Amino acid sequence: DGGITQSPKYLFRKEGQNVTLSCEQNLNHDAMYWYRQDPGQGLRLIYYSQIVNDFQKGDIAEGYSVSREKKESFPLTVTSAQKNPTAFYLCASNSADGRARNGYTFGSGTRLTVV
Amino acid sequence: RKEVEQDPGPFNVPEGATVAFNCTYSNSASQSFFWYRQDCRKEPKLLMSVYSSGNEDGRFTAQLNRASQYISLLIRDSKLSDSATYLCVVKLTGGGNKLTFGTGTQLKVEL
Repeated sequence: DGGITQSPKYLFRKEGQNVTLSCEQNLNHDAMYWYRQDPGQGLRLIYYSQIVNDFQKGDIAEGYSVSREKKESFPLTVTSAQKNPTAFYLCASNSADGRARNGYTFGSGTRLTVV
Repeated sequence: RKEVEQDPGPFNVPEGATVAFNCTYSNSASQSFFWYRQDCRKEPKLLMSVYSSGNEDGRFTAQLNRASQYISLLIRDSKLSDSATYLCVVKLTGGGNKLTFGTGTQLKVEL
């Protein structure tokens, strides 16, 4: 079945360390997105990519980095510069031809905790 | 002002009740509209798209009022399994197909 896989499901990180969250999709979608969700808040866009080897900052990109070397993969690195990294991270994808009538497909998320 | 605003709730309703959620959006250039459902500690899942003429899917009815920049979701004959957070989502005209999410309205259906 086609879908988006995020790993790991839970991740614990020490302060001062970088950590990379994986996101892989086999939906043949061009566009991929990373969101962050904090308790009681809506999803906030970190980075997005519409095609391979290209990506744009979202609303809260500071302290994060991404790469898009393959269509299927859009890993997110949470760097030590991110002041409040503890959150629920969601990856999503969509066809980039404007058919957003179908919304996004989300992965099951990674819950990151800084200890 | 937030781009998408929702009453956070919670809405505590008895099983079988009809419940209505409202949402307002600030950007008149918004192009597409959706309701997502999110269960506790899970990812959001698309419940339904919202069309200008209004649309229905079983017990769920969505309506859009572009003039008032207002979206609604009506759930009839609510079930215990409807308990979740309902997210109002809009897409702006322009690049990236980016979606903007409201903070969600929590629904608790009780016996």
